Amino acid sequence: QKEVEQNSGPLSVPEGAIASLNCTYSDRGSQSFFWYRQYSGKSPELIMFIYSNGDKEDGRFTAQLNKASQYVSLLIRDSQPSDSATYLCAVNAPRGNNRLAFGKGNQVVVIP
Amino acid sequence: DADVTQTPRNRITKTGKRIMLECSQTKGHDRMYWYRQDPGLGLRLIYYSFDVKDINKGEISDGYSVSRQAQAKFSLSLESAIPNQTALYFCATSGSGGGDTQYFGPGTRLTVL
Repeated sequence: QKEVEQNSGPLSVPEGAIASLNCTYSDRGSQSFFWYRQYSGKSPELIMFIYSNGDKEDGRFTAQLNKASQYVSLLIRDSQPSDSATYLCAVNAPRGNNRLAFGKGNQVVVIP
Repeated sequence: DADVTQTPRNRITKTGKRIMLECSQTKGHDRMYWYRQDPGLGLRLIYYSFDVKDINKGEISDGYSVSRQAQAKFSLSLESAIPNQTALYFCATSGSGGGDTQYFGPGTRLTVL
């Protein structure tokens, strides 16, 4: 079982719509959860982190965490063309020396 | 100035050559990491170091070696480069807390012919 899974294919959303991304993880002991944005050919940059169950909002971004179901999601409201990127989910892996385990990412394309 | 720097940014080399990629950071972090990224495969961890005296293999360490010269410097070497090591390489750093945020360098695009 992979530590972090992001299974959805490329996501196309109209400008102004909500983009929804999901991520599941396998280690029940994980305590820290991150979303990174990566533009093509560039390095990942942190956009959100969440430690507690529930929702965390930062501008147009909302992270949602459900530890019982072992999933974390990211909502992007009022999507803009500049949001077109790959979004990486990362989770700390206590059984893996507490390093971060990354999902493969989900590509988002915002259509003007 | 960038907190995490990588040199070189781009490198083209030939099969069998020895290559060193360097990473420096001014964030004062103890932990440093080397990843490679290939299309469709996501980020894969090569090596990581929790302090100067601690080096750990990641999921794809074969064909690579590392050196932690100081808290701020972590180098990745390809002793004898092969074409399937063509990839985008990232260095990252984090604080000492379990699960701390990782901060990435700008990346090195390596092509092995």
